[in-house]
Amino acid sequence: DSGVTQTPKHLITATGQRVTLRCSPRSGDLSVYWYQQSLDQGLQFLIQYYNGEERAKGNILERFSAQQFPDLHSELNLSSLELGDSALYFCASSVTGQHNSPLHFGNGTRLTVT
Amino acid sequence: GENVEQHPSTLSVQEGDSAVIKCTYSDSASNYFPWYKQELGKRPQLIIDIRSNVGEKKDQRIAVTLNKTAKHFSLHITETQPEDSAVYFCAPFTGGFKTIFGAGTRLFVKA
Repeated sequence: DSGVTQTPKHLITATGQRVTLRCSPRSGDLSVYWYQQSLDQGLQFLIQYYNGEERAKGNILERFSAQQFPDLHSELNLSSLELGDSALYFCASSVTGQHNSPLHFGNGTRLTVT
Repeated sequence: GENVEQHPSTLSVQEGDSAVIKCTYSDSASNYFPWYKQELGKRPQLIIDIRSNVGEKKDQRIAVTLNKTAKHFSLHITETQPEDSAVYFCAPFTGGFKTIFGAGTRLFVKA
């Protein structure tokens, strides 16, 4: 168990809808990272937060947004969903604000858009 | 921008053989070099990492070597076993804040 909790595990929704994915980092970790992994693909970096502030952005679509709350949990909001958004979304956490320490991944949320 | 390349993309070995996966990066300021393993349907997990002040690190059958001059680091797995079958990702710290993963290497270990 990595100590990173992601909910829900599975999500099935229709095109055009909006969903929220939630992540609770490991105790003591201040950074939260979000990654998207499509079928048989790599890990695409979406966004990173550190202690409540956005730290870095990857190839995150404008339809997607995220935030990190004072208790350090994070939410990833996906709106106007398209079939191509179907993927496994991972959250990871680390102690520092830069990736010079290990990332601890949650078990992911599998999103299916129909 | 950051550039991370992994080779090969697929690797098939016989059980007991060795496997080597190479990761090339572009940022000379990189100072942290981890490898993650992702089994089918599971989350990525760190298996070994190295910092720029050392050239090699070993943990049982797994080792990582670093060549800072050439800007690459490699994962070495000896005496491979079927449970080593997975996708392996490198994710060198590039000095910026974007944490970029390599495209992954799918390792098949044939029994």
